[in-house]
Amino acid sequence: KAGVTQTPRYLIKTRGQQVTLSCSPISGHRSVSWYQQTPGQGLQFLFEYFSETQRNKGNFPGRFSGRQFSNSRSEMNVSTLELGDSALYLCASSLNGASSGEQYFGPGTRLTVT
Amino acid sequence: AQSVTQPDIHITVSEGASLELRCNYSYGATPYLFWYVQSPGQGLQLLLKYFSGDTLVQGIKGFEAEFKRSQSSFNLRKPSVHWSDAAEYFCAVGVGGTYKYIFGTGTRLKVLA
Repeated sequence: KAGVTQTPRYLIKTRGQQVTLSCSPISGHRSVSWYQQTPGQGLQFLFEYFSETQRNKGNFPGRFSGRQFSNSRSEMNVSTLELGDSALYLCASSLNGASSGEQYFGPGTRLTVT
Repeated sequence: AQSVTQPDIHITVSEGASLELRCNYSYGATPYLFWYVQSPGQGLQLLLKYFSGDTLVQGIKGFEAEFKRSQSSFNLRKPSVHWSDAAEYFCAVGVGGTYKYIFGTGTRLKVLA
């Protein structure tokens, strides 16, 4: 079974631009969660999607948004990029939900904002 | 509020020595508990999980963890560390019914040859 894939793996953007990251979960998994990882803040939960519905959201500004498609693939969008958005963005999939089962993580997308 | 604490930011052990990484959580009921490992530049890999039942759980790569309800702890152990175990380790709590999943701040393990 293929693991969680994330594209692109690396991205360099300029302040003020927007970016879209993609995540393909493990086949059959209906939950996709997104996390931001930075040296200063550690792993912070962004949001979780389950069967195309956002089920939970972390404490991030509205510039961070996401969606999930009927095939469970998910995208995360960040608008009006700031320098502080530079981070490793991790996607995780699980069968029934992040809090009730193990999650499987992708390799991440390294976003650098200049 | 729910929280996860990993008191040790850095730990250094010699290869072959035993290892214990600490994790404490704050939650009113028994949460789902997880340990993950992250190698540099990589995503997270699940080492082991505890949902219920036997409080000593075995994971991959020779790791085990013990759930102690009285201490609200879920410490990770390995009897003999290998150089390839050098990585960052994260404890996480899943709060059922709220869809929350909280990570600790991580413990970076260095292994001396």
